[in-house]
Amino acid sequence: AQKVTQAQTEISVVEKEDVTLDCVYETRDTTYYLFWYKQPPSGELVFLIRRNSFDEQNEISGRYSWNFQKSTSSFNFTITASQVVDSAVYFCASSRESNYQLIWGAGTKLIIKP
Amino acid sequence: EAGVAQSPRYKIIEKRQSVAFWCNPISGHATLYWYQQILGQGPKLLIQFQNNGVVDDSQLPKDRFSAERLKGVDSTLKIQPAKLEDSAVYLCASSLLRDWNTGELFFGEGSRLTVL
Repeated sequence: AQKVTQAQTEISVVEKEDVTLDCVYETRDTTYYLFWYKQPPSGELVFLIRRNSFDEQNEISGRYSWNFQKSTSSFNFTITASQVVDSAVYFCASSRESNYQLIWGAGTKLIIKP
Repeated sequence: EAGVAQSPRYKIIEKRQSVAFWCNPISGHATLYWYQQILGQGPKLLIQFQNNGVVDDSQLPKDRFSAERLKGVDSTLKIQPAKLEDSAVYLCASSLLRDWNTGELFFGEGSRLTVL
């Protein structure tokens, strides 16, 4: 069965620091998908990124970057020069090609202090 | 483009009472999901609709929860009778297709239920 582990329950950093959120996944599938979602205090989950299992290229989008490593079953998320607006709960998730249901991690609460 | 609309945002009820939540997905989105999110946990899928048909309701507690999506647009999730452990945020999401070429779900702000 698929499983997603986010070991960091809460992280607190000072604004402008870099921060990395860890995500470890378990799967027996050869084809699968990995996701990151952001949940700000308002409550709605916001899609950030989707990665296919056959695409290990790292992704950069502005201050956000993602490191996908199949060798360690990890899909980590780094925010560079963090800002107060980055404060939120971040969820990592995975899905199978066969049924597309999202399997969610427990989330990491990120607090950016001014 | 209007997002996913949910109401009410907050509801407090006594155990054994009933409650209903409403969701209006993004126009044109064929797939609609209801998730339950308990504090400190990731969302748990309750039911998935494709148009007005149920794709997956394997995790829906059917003895007390029901959901419908008439005409393939709006959806209602009902709990009757509510239990203390139903206290959670109920999230509605929609997507264009079950095709995971994009895999992007659009979520509403959720309906927070407190059962006393």
